[in-house]
Amino acid sequence: QVQLLESGPGLVKPSQTLSLTCSVSGGSINSISYYWTWIRQPAGKALEWIGHTSPSGSNIYIPSLESRVTISLDTSKNHFSLRLTSVTAADTAVYYCARGVRDCSGVSCHSWFDPWGQGTLVTVSS
Amino acid sequence: AIQMTQSPSSLSASVGDRVTITCRASQAIRSDLGWYQQKPGKAPKLLIYAVSNLQSGVPSRFSGSGSGTDFTLTISSLHPEDIATYYCLQDYNYPLTFGGGTKVEI
Repeated sequence: QVQLLESGPGLVKPSQTLSLTCSVSGGSINSISYYWTWIRQPAGKALEWIGHTSPSGSNIYIPSLESRVTISLDTSKNHFSLRLTSVTAADTAVYYCARGVRDCSGVSCHSWFDPWGQGTLVTVSS
Repeated sequence: AIQMTQSPSSLSASVGDRVTITCRASQAIRSDLGWYQQKPGKAPKLLIYAVSNLQSGVPSRFSGSGSGTDFTLTISSLHPEDIATYYCLQDYNYPLTFGGGTKVEI
């Protein structure tokens, strides 16, 4: 079955760039059926959808981060990445990658996230 | 962005109890709603998509209902392993938004 695993630095200095990679095993990232997604969760708080990318070139981001975030695919390595520039302490969170599924087989389309990576804690601190 | 409001934010119940969690959207989202379970220190797990469709492998004691703006997740008989925080997610439009979560304790 498909498994996702996040990797990257656990500590980033303020004003620098956060870079994470999500390695996908058990399936190809190069499928137009899926949206490769990043979600984050500050300690003790709710989940926040950051955005997604797909092999079709569709990139959508949450407006509050749109000026700082890039999500990209590397089909040769079967992984996708998150890049967040000019970080502050407010970006400290557990970052999850997830496979987004969009199913339009019924009357209407529906989306969901499955599976998820285990998550990786990124702390922004000097 | 569509705001998703869950209630209660936490609840305490006994094993075998029927548990109901509600999620209200700030505008109508048709049936574009899912539920996720997050156990302490773990990644969220998909329980239900499109309001009432149970993900493969999820116990049948979980069910979902609702439409428009008001939705419900029900656990028909609480098991000890159901201790977790539950989140709703609207996929009606972007940005996708989660509810604030409901922590279920015994």
